[in-house]
Amino acid sequence: SQTIHQWPATLVQPVGSPLSLECTVEGTSNPNLYWYRQAAGRGLQLLFYSVGIGQISSEVPQNLSASRPQDRQFILSSKKLLLSDSGFYLCAWSVSGANVLTFGAGSRLTVL
Amino acid sequence: AQSVSQHNHHVILSEAASLELGCNYSYGGTVNLFWYVQYPGQHLQLLLKYFSGDPLVKGIKGFEAEFIKSKFSFNLRKPSVQWSDTAEYFCAVIANQAGTALIFGKGTTLSVSS
Repeated sequence: SQTIHQWPATLVQPVGSPLSLECTVEGTSNPNLYWYRQAAGRGLQLLFYSVGIGQISSEVPQNLSASRPQDRQFILSSKKLLLSDSGFYLCAWSVSGANVLTFGAGSRLTVL
Repeated sequence: AQSVSQHNHHVILSEAASLELGCNYSYGGTVNLFWYVQYPGQHLQLLLKYFSGDPLVKGIKGFEAEFIKSKFSFNLRKPSVQWSDTAEYFCAVIANQAGTALIFGKGTTLSVSS
């Protein structure tokens, strides 16, 4: 069966520090991969999605970037964190060509 | 680009009351529609989905939703809620074409008192 892993689960970082959140999927190949940010009262905001290695679509221009160095690995990064980057980051995957997403447990980022 | 609007930010009900959560989307073409639920401390999980066919779809735990194309709506319903239905509910839409991703509404928090 397929599983999705996100880490770290919780992260506290100072303003201006770098960020790396990692997401991996097991038990499938060539998945579509997604990064969402969940903020109270704002729902889930799509940040990036990828349909293949090295293919990244950015939905919202901001202080973050994403990379997909391997088929089942999706990384969310920042060179210098802002206070406004605080939030709950969710990785998700779907079968290529299908639209049903399965979500990971999320990573809670607090920027101080 | 598609967008989703959920009408209620926070709904408070007593057990056995009926539930209807509104969801409207904006997109002129064919869409797939979803409701996801996030119980306290748990992952987001799929509640139900509509791709095509019968506009009344049934999901887990007694939930159902009706797709009304003319109203661009996909409201979630349950005849009798339980305390365990306390959760946050998200409506989501995706255009039925390549190169698009699932767009979520802002969510509705449902609190059910026993």
